[in-house]
Amino acid sequence: QVQLVQSGAEVKKPGASVKVSCKASGYTFTSYGISWVRQAPGQGLEWMGWISAYNGNTNYAQKLQGRVTMTTDTSTSTAYMELRSLRSDDTAVYYCARDQLGYCSGGCAFDIWGQGTMVTVSS
Amino acid sequence: DIQMTQSPSSLSASVGDRVTITCRASQGISNSLAWYQQKPGKAPKLLLYAASRLESGVPSRFSGSGSGTDYTLTISSLQPEDFATYYCQQYYSTGFTFGPGTKVDIK
Repeated sequence: QVQLVQSGAEVKKPGASVKVSCKASGYTFTSYGISWVRQAPGQGLEWMGWISAYNGNTNYAQKLQGRVTMTTDTSTSTAYMELRSLRSDDTAVYYCARDQLGYCSGGCAFDIWGQGTMVTVSS
Repeated sequence: DIQMTQSPSSLSASVGDRVTITCRASQGISNSLAWYQQKPGKAPKLLLYAASRLESGVPSRFSGSGSGTDYTLTISSLQPEDFATYYCQQYYSTGFTFGPGTKVDIK
């Protein structure tokens, strides 16, 4: 079945970096883009950015520009999200989510979600 | 970025009740709106897209409507498995912002 499986929980110190993976299966990876969405404890959902699994084009949320990098490895059907210079307010569950359509450049609903990866930033 | 608001922020309802949640965008979004359901500790689940189109496998008691800046999600007869938090999301312009959520709990 179509699914996205994410890497496990991480604990990082302030100023460090974290890289979360999202492995796709059950569909042609390069046919759909992937967005990353995070959710701080007890809070709502925040879109972080999008990457085309076809050509690697990216579109990042303005507030994260310069701290976030999204990449893909088409040989393993895996998307990655790296966040640098971590702060305590980056503590959140990080989700990857697939574009519902194959040509929407992030501008469409997200139909398949990973299970989430908890990232805790604490000294 | 387009700002999204939802009302109410929470509601208490009984099984069988009709429930309506409203979502408003700070500018017109041309029906580029999705609704998601999230249960505690789980990833969001897509319910509707393009404001009123039901995602495959989603029960028909869920429906959506609206245009321009104002949209609604309606659950025609609330079921026990529907107690959750509901989010709207605009995908009209980058930023792809979510509403703050509406928590539906048991009266």
